Amino acid sequence: GAVVSQHPSWVICKSGTSVKIECRSLDFQATTMFWYRQFPKQSLMLMATSNEGSKATYEQGVEKDKFLINHASLTLSTLTVTSAHPEDSSFYICSARLKGPGTQYFGPGTRLLVL
Amino acid sequence: QQQVKQSPQSLIVQKGGISIINCAYENTAFDYFPWYQQFPGKGPALLIAIRPDVSEKKEGRFTISFNKSAKQFSLHIMDSQPGDSATYFCAARAPAGKSTFGDGTTLTVKP
Repeated sequence: GAVVSQHPSWVICKSGTSVKIECRSLDFQATTMFWYRQFPKQSLMLMATSNEGSKATYEQGVEKDKFLINHASLTLSTLTVTSAHPEDSSFYICSARLKGPGTQYFGPGTRLLVL
Repeated sequence: QQQVKQSPQSLIVQKGGISIINCAYENTAFDYFPWYQQFPGKGPALLIAIRPDVSEKKEGRFTISFNKSAKQFSLHIMDSQPGDSATYFCAARAPAGKSTFGDGTTLTVKP
């Protein structure tokens, strides 16, 4: 149980295009979902926290107009990187938190390469 | 201000040995302390977690030791295996809050 999926697992796009990444909790309802960015050999950098049906809360320094987050249901959150540029290339990981005990489970990550 | 400090940054252990990774925190409001294991190109996977009402939790070869007064907790991997080679992250979270992660420890278990 407690599986989180992400799609796509990797994506290559041209500079200036937008990319959407989906995060789904497959077998549980997630009150809260988190989006992280991870650079090689570094820790997880929290980008934003999203609660179902409400606006996402972005961390300081994260552009909310560039990284659009939609938490449409208790099992789905999407991250859209708008007008992507090469510096947006990174490993993006979502995480979903269970109700009750609040255990946090991570998705497998999405590798984004912007050419 | 880094709220969770993790050490060492990297660790090399012989097969069969004990791997020990330490974390220290500052916020006394933290009440949940998980450890995650991450393989290259994959998302972190929850390994084991502890709450501050117990001093130790063991699951198979993995043990968390928790020292509330010192605000420290550690992960012990007994009988370390090459398949345990990965990056390990500790984390700490306040009630209904977001998790704060350590910087990670790259573990290499030599055969």
